[in-house]
Amino acid sequence: AQSVTQLGSHVSVSEGALVLLRCNYSSSVPPYLFWYVQYPNQGLQLLLKYTSAATLVKGINGFEAEFKKSETSFHLTKPSAHMSDAAEYFCAVSPYNTDKLIFGTGTRLQVFP
Amino acid sequence: EPEVTQTPSHQVTQMGQEVILRCVPISNHLYFYWYRQILGQKVEFLVSFYNNEISEKSEIFDDQFSVERPDGSNFTLKIRSTKLEDSAMYFCASSERAGGGETQYFGPGTRLLVL
Repeated sequence: AQSVTQLGSHVSVSEGALVLLRCNYSSSVPPYLFWYVQYPNQGLQLLLKYTSAATLVKGINGFEAEFKKSETSFHLTKPSAHMSDAAEYFCAVSPYNTDKLIFGTGTRLQVFP
Repeated sequence: EPEVTQTPSHQVTQMGQEVILRCVPISNHLYFYWYRQILGQKVEFLVSFYNNEISEKSEIFDDQFSVERPDGSNFTLKIRSTKLEDSAMYFCASSERAGGGETQYFGPGTRLLVL
């Protein structure tokens, strides 16, 4: 069964520092991949998705992710963290033959001034 | 911007009681989903729904669960006889089209507590 693994349940960075949130997927066929963000008391909001077009995907709020087939990774990055980026981030995969999303365990990002 | 809404935001119920969680998907969307997140655990897929039928369901979605689109706007999840382990955040989502690459838009969730 396909799955995603998010390394690090908590990540802390200083404001202005690089944000790197890790996601690895398990799939014999390149799947569709997503990053969602959840702010406190809100639903899941799509940051970006990979659907077999460009391997470097740009999303909202300055985030981007690079699909690396050789590493089965889809890490999320942002060059400069902002206080408003503090939230929980979920990586998800959608296998080819289904509409469901399979989520990782999430990474809580804290941003310190 | 259109959004998925869910009611209630919080629900407390006694074990064995029936609960109905309500969702209003984005108006031109045709595909609907329920997910849940037990505290501290992953967001898990429950069921997908299209054209008044279940498209796919997970092992979690057993006979105590049902979904319905009672009218042109609402999409409901019913739990017939709640158990303690049903305590979770339940998310509704909708998408315009089917297919693994389609974006699913999520509601804010209903936090269900079973006592």
